Amino acid sequence: QQQVKQSPQSLIVQKGGISIINCAYENTAFDYFPWYQQFPGKGPALLIAIRPDVSEKKEGRFTISFNKSAKQFSLHIMDSQPGDSATYFCAARDNQGGKLIFGQGTELSVKP
Amino acid sequence: ETGVTQTPRHLVMGMTNKKSLKCEQHLGHNAMYWYKQSAKKPLELMFVYNFKEQTENNSVPSRFSPECPNSSHLFLHLHTLQPEDSALYLCASSQDPRQGNSPLHFGNGTRLTVT
Repeated sequence: QQQVKQSPQSLIVQKGGISIINCAYENTAFDYFPWYQQFPGKGPALLIAIRPDVSEKKEGRFTISFNKSAKQFSLHIMDSQPGDSATYFCAARDNQGGKLIFGQGTELSVKP
Repeated sequence: ETGVTQTPRHLVMGMTNKKSLKCEQHLGHNAMYWYKQSAKKPLELMFVYNFKEQTENNSVPSRFSPECPNSSHLFLHLHTLQPEDSALYLCASSQDPRQGNSPLHFGNGTRLTVT
C-alpha cells in the first residue's frame, strides 16, 4: 500500500507548547522517513529525517519518534514558536526505486 | 536562494493556451522531479528524470509534457489544460535516488490558474 496517512490536518498550539504530528504507513519496503516544512509561498524544505533502525532522532527542538512495529512515526516540536507556523509533511521512501510518498500535510499555527 | 529556481512564479492561462514551466537547479544533482500540490492533498509525483532519462511517469495526462534537456534544466509543457489542473507545481532535484537517502530540494513553485 503506497500511502502515508498524516494527522491532524491542522493544529493550533500556544507558544512554548509541544506540537505533535503523526504519520502511519503500511508498506514495509519504506526505508527512510523525512519530514518537510513548507512556509507560505515557498517550496517544502527538509527538516529532519530518520531511518527505521533507530527509534528516535533529535535535532534542536525537533524530534522524530519512530515505532517500527506499529508502522508509525511522529514529529514533536518542543517549545513551539510562532516562527514554526508552517505546513509540515511527513514522507516515506520506497526502497524499490527511491520514490518518496508524502502525507497530506499538517498546517501548524503557533499562537503568541 | 533555494538552489532550485522556478519560473514563472505565477501563471494564468486559458484552456486553449500553450505555456511552459521552467526549472533550473544549481546543486549539481542528477535527478529532477515535477510535483503537483493541491490544497489539502499530498504532494503528487508527476515525473522523474534521472541523468536526463525519464524514469517515472505517474499516469499523468498527456496535456502535461515534460522535457529534460540536461541534468540542470527541466520543463513542463502545458496545453489544453482543465480548470482542475490549477495548482502549485513544484520542481525538485536530488542526487541519484537509487543511491542512499538523498533529500529532495524543492523550488518555490509555479502557481498555475487555468481559467
